[in-house]
Amino acid sequence: EIVMTQSPATLSVSPGDTASLSCRASQSVSSNLAWYQQKPGQGPRLLIYRASTRATETPVRFSGSGSGTEFTLTISGLRSEDFAVYYCQQFDDWPLTFGGGTKVEI
Amino acid sequence: QVHLVQSGGGLIQPGGSVRLACAASGFTFSDHSMNWIRQAPGKGLEWVSFINTAASTTKYADSVKGRFTVSRDNANNSLYLLMNGLRAEDTALYYCARGEVVFDAWGQGTTVTVSS
Repeated sequence: EIVMTQSPATLSVSPGDTASLSCRASQSVSSNLAWYQQKPGQGPRLLIYRASTRATETPVRFSGSGSGTEFTLTISGLRSEDFAVYYCQQFDDWPLTFGGGTKVEI
Repeated sequence: QVHLVQSGGGLIQPGGSVRLACAASGFTFSDHSMNWIRQAPGKGLEWVSFINTAASTTKYADSVKGRFTVSRDNANNSLYLLMNGLRAEDTALYYCARGEVVFDAWGQGTTVTVSS
């Protein structure tokens, strides 16, 4: 199976900062990558798919980039509601696999 | 508005069985593939199972293959997961999620705890 590795595990930032979250695949997944946001007590929410396409209602301050094995989620001008855990997920091959998550905290 | 409302789960003894349900509304359920995804306490997300629109194709994670069965009732807009032979490592919050390979709507989650 394709192993997804996210770094860092925790990212400490301040409101207004720009955060860069990394996701690495154990083999190429082309652009078949999605990003999700999960807040405490809630189910995940789709943010980005196909590595860089924002989902409906995803604010423009969220952007995704990368292809192959290296991907980045960038959050520009962090707002209080952005503090959460972020997961990447590959959908290039079965089984579908998620990274371990990056917690963005103040 | 898309809604996925889950039910089922609870405290189950090792080796026991339980069925989870997911009731869909706000969209044409029969047009969408569905999945089950779980999250162990304090852990990340793990894909569990997939079912296509006609229920003609199902897929399972190796960790649950042969023990879990996914099904759907398009007439009643419902998705199910029958979980047999439960183990301690199956303890998790289980989500139903809409989508073929990308999940654009999620249920609220239902907890399954396997313990004696």
